[in-house]
Amino acid sequence: DQQVKQNSPSLSVQEGRISILNCDYTNSMFDYFLWYKKYPAEGPTFLISISSIKDKNEDGRFTVFLNKSAKHLSLHIVPSQPGDSAVYFCAASPISNFGNEKLTFGTGTRLTIIP
Amino acid sequence: DGGITQSPKYLFRKEGQNVTLSCEQNLNHDAMYWYRQDPGQGLRLIYYSQIVNDFQKGDIAEGYSVSREKKESFPLTVTSAQKNPTAFYLCASSRQGRGSTGELFFGEGSRLTVL
Repeated sequence: DQQVKQNSPSLSVQEGRISILNCDYTNSMFDYFLWYKKYPAEGPTFLISISSIKDKNEDGRFTVFLNKSAKHLSLHIVPSQPGDSAVYFCAASPISNFGNEKLTFGTGTRLTIIP
Repeated sequence: DGGITQSPKYLFRKEGQNVTLSCEQNLNHDAMYWYRQDPGQGLRLIYYSQIVNDFQKGDIAEGYSVSREKKESFPLTVTSAQKNPTAFYLCASSRQGRGSTGELFFGEGSRLTVL
């Protein structure tokens, strides 16, 4: 049972345009959401996160939007650059009083930026 | 520099052999994790440890074993009981406790191929 879903396995975007990556989740206990970026043969690196008390978090070219009622989040990258070409994983976690629990990851979306 | 070191980066194994993947971190993180990545699938949690001398099974623990004798080290043994061990294995660590951000720090991964 896939609790975190990324329904688009791949996405191609022209350089300079906006990239929008989507993620849906089913577990209503999830309170904290993260995006990771992964290059081939490397470990994922943290990109941006959002907690359920917010609906938007911005960091430079990256913005994450959370729609808790729809159990949906999205990552916007603008403007897209060739170095953004990578696999992007959405991850979710419930937050306990003692800190983060283990993350549940989506299947990833491969983003290709076309020069 | 602080980080997570996984070794070996590439490993070949004959069927029926056990193999141990090393993971060392100098980030002073309490929690450590092992994930497995297969093509077209998200990162799936094998085992995690929130404190020395304690660890819990993740979603796909069968055929794997771990130990956590030191805070810095969390080796993973892929046993002959693991039916499909060929995969990319990722070790991660995180802070625990109040105020932690939920961010995982990943190593560069170990690719295991069973011949």
